[in-house]
Parts: sequence; C-alpha cells; structure tokens
Amino acid sequence: NAGVTQTPKFQVLKTGQSMTLQCAQDMNHEYMSWYRQDPGMGLRLIHYSVGAGITDQGEVPNGYNVSRSTTEDFPLRLLSAAPSQTSVYFCASSYLQGNYGYTFGSGTRLTVV
Amino acid sequence: GQQVMQIPQYQHVQEGEDFTTYCNSSTTLSNIQWYKQRPGGHPVFLIQLVKSGEVKKQKRLTFQFGEAKKNSSLHITATQTTDVGTYFCAGPRTQGGSEKLVFGKGTKLTVNP
Repeated sequence: NAGVTQTPKFQVLKTGQSMTLQCAQDMNHEYMSWYRQDPGMGLRLIHYSVGAGITDQGEVPNGYNVSRSTTEDFPLRLLSAAPSQTSVYFCASSYLQGNYGYTFGSGTRLTVV
Repeated sequence: GQQVMQIPQYQHVQEGEDFTTYCNSSTTLSNIQWYKQRPGGHPVFLIQLVKSGEVKKQKRLTFQFGEAKKNSSLHITATQTTDVGTYFCAGPRTQGGSEKLVFGKGTKLTVNP
C-alpha cells in the first residue's frame, strides 16, 4: 500500500545509546519531515527536507541528525539518547511543503531510560 | 514567530451533541489544514481551506476559513463515538525561504455514548 512507513514501532533505549528511526515513502513526495509529539505539546517539527540532498532544522533540532540521500528515505538519528527524547515520533511527507496535506507514518514510540 | 492557537484543549460531549473547535493564527495564512488523530493513531489529513471565507463540508463536519484568513473552525453536527480523537489545525509558516507546517496543540474530543 502506498504511504509512509516508519520502523520500528516501539523502541526502548538506555541513556547515551544511539539509534536511527527509519522513514520511507513511495509516493514520490519531495517534502519530508520529522515531528515529535509529547502530551500537551502538539506536534513539533524536528527536521525537514525539501528534496534529496537538502535538509534543514525545525523548531526542536537539538540531539537529532538527518540526511536525505534519496527521495524515498529520510532517517532520523539520535546520536546520544537522553530521557528528554522520550516521545512519539512521526514522519510525514507531502508534494510541497505547507501547501498540500501531509501523509503521516504510523509513528515510533521511543522510551529512553 | 507565527503561532497557531487552538481552543478548547479538551471537549467532552454526549453522543448526539454538536462540537466546535477554533483555530487562530497571529498572522495571515495562505491556507489552513485540519487533521484528525484517533487515540493511539497518527494524524490523518482531513481538508485544506485556501480562500477567504471558504466553507467546506464533509458529511457531518463543516470547516470554515475566516474572512481575514487568520482563523478557522471545525464544527461536527450530532457527534458519534467514531468522532473521538484529537483534531489539529495547521498553517504554513515561511522561514528561511521555505515553508513549514505549524500545528496547533489540538482539541481532544471525547464522546459519551
């Protein structure tokens, strides 16, 4: 089925560990983004990309890295996990940033202990 | 920077009652989007409004975009238990030459059967 695929769905990390959250879309969308969702905080933009090879920071980029080597994939890297990064992470894609509806992945629930 | 404010934060209704959530922006928006997130799920795009004063309907849902394009509302007539979830509005914000989607914190709707 066409859409945005996120893996893993659940993850528990120890403080200081690193990991990569995967995101892939098969809709040939140029725009991809990562959000984190915390209770009472809504959806906050971490990083985004307007096309392969182009990335930029959102509202809360600290502690996260991204790269975009292909149109399809947009992985999010946590270099040294902290308890403050416990959250639900959503990847989203769209034809154009801000002017078309976003398609969200099903999310990754991350706990850092 | 531009913020998108949503009220109320929570709304509890009896099944069959109407429900409205409001969205206000500090700046004029080129468009406003609405999303629904079921409990434990991911945000799903509902609709995009573009024109000043625009009104769109989807069955029992009515979406409005204000004349000044700074506010919007979502009204649900005769709520059903299937309407349970959090409703988000989102508007594009231009920063550094690119547009990003800024989400309100959402209105969480619960429906008592």
